[in-house]
Amino acid sequence: QKEVEQNSGPLSVPEGAIASLNCTYSDRGSQSFFWYRQYSGKSPELIMSIYSNGDKEDGRFTAQLNKASQYVSLLIRDSQPSDSATYLCAVTGYYGQNFVFGPGTRLSVLP
Amino acid sequence: EPEVTQTPSHQVTQMGQEVILRCVPISNHLYFYWYRQILGQKVEFLVSFYNNEISEKSEIFDDQFSVERPDGSNFTLKIRSTKLEDSAMYFCASSAGTSGTDTQYFGPGTRLTVL
Repeated sequence: QKEVEQNSGPLSVPEGAIASLNCTYSDRGSQSFFWYRQYSGKSPELIMSIYSNGDKEDGRFTAQLNKASQYVSLLIRDSQPSDSATYLCAVTGYYGQNFVFGPGTRLSVLP
Repeated sequence: EPEVTQTPSHQVTQMGQEVILRCVPISNHLYFYWYRQILGQKVEFLVSFYNNEISEKSEIFDDQFSVERPDGSNFTLKIRSTKLEDSAMYFCASSAGTSGTDTQYFGPGTRLTVL
């Protein structure tokens, strides 16, 4: 049974700070990793994907992957109140099978 | 920008009744998925569908569930005899391919309430 773990939060950060969200996964065969944002009552919205070890930056977001440690993280720089949402880590195998979501971390950015 | 659409946005039904949730995936996508999210819980995979057949399903997707692509645009999830515990948000998703790098795009969801 593949597991994806995240701290449920809430993680509270002041506006303008860096928010750091973490995710661990159990299946060493996992190949692709995604961060989705979900506002309350809404559907998951893709923020970033990462497939190789290291960092990947897109605007204020940086995803970091360490396959040896089975760990993926998301950094949000210059956090805004509009970033307040639940952040979902999702993991899948090489052929896109077994797309497994973590429980999500609730982020609250305080003005 | 193309998007996945779902109807209805909210469905209320009596226990034991059949419901059909509808989805229109992004037009050039080939792979389709259903997920559910019980209130306050994580998003759970139900089933994936390609080339008019199920390619993968979870333990949740038992005999009361079925999927169909009745025409070139719609993708449906049928629940034959609803139970109280089927109350959840149901999300449809689609992707262009099924390699690990293909992103799944989610529809807005259908909230199913079983009374």
